[in-house]
Amino acid sequence: GAGVSQSPRYKVAKRGQDVALRCDPISGHVSLFWYQQALGQGPEFLTYFQNEAQLDKSGLPSDRFFAERPEGSVSTLKIQRTQQEDSAVYLCASSLGGFRANYGYTFGSGTRLTVV
Amino acid sequence: AQSVAQPEDQVNVAEGNPLTVKCTYSVSGNPYLFWYVQYPNRGLQFLLKYITGDNLVKGSYGFEAEFNKSQTSFHLKKPSALVSDSALYFCAVRDRDRNNDMRFGAGTRLTVKP
Repeated sequence: GAGVSQSPRYKVAKRGQDVALRCDPISGHVSLFWYQQALGQGPEFLTYFQNEAQLDKSGLPSDRFFAERPEGSVSTLKIQRTQQEDSAVYLCASSLGGFRANYGYTFGSGTRLTVV
Repeated sequence: AQSVAQPEDQVNVAEGNPLTVKCTYSVSGNPYLFWYVQYPNRGLQFLLKYITGDNLVKGSYGFEAEFNKSQTSFHLKKPSALVSDSALYFCAVRDRDRNNDMRFGAGTRLTVKP
């Protein structure tokens, strides 16, 4: 597609519910990133894929967070047993290059998750 | 690990005046530096990047930024601000020698008044 597409655009979850957030990167983009942006804050790195390989998951805040990209294109970020502090905008970005490449990122519009 | 500081939460300028949004960075290796803009309920939009070469980088919508290695800064500038420039601006850094993930500053809200 022409850009990075994220769905759903908005998600309201009850505390304890599991959620799945989807990211469709730009076709052919090797790298895919997930970021968490709390209200009034900058994006915080969560995890990074190069093709289907998850090369860095150091930013995932707990073992309730899980991301996958099984075929090297679409990615899903799953949050189990959601808690109120998980409320944030989850941004996905993709990039043409791989490790050490100097390409910029293209961001999706994000999924706004509200846990009530 | 790399990090970015944006010392101003808010910058206010009058339309037609020059604007500067400040950014300093910390990285163990050589940096790639980026500026992004975010409008309400929108994703981050790329403005410009410094990779290598000329320290003055020109980007979208008339913005430019100057890489200063000795001061580890990458301030965003525009000679004449527009009301439509009002948005949230993020500086970001990657360590070109270590990894591929980008780290962002906390953001600066720019308000341009008519």
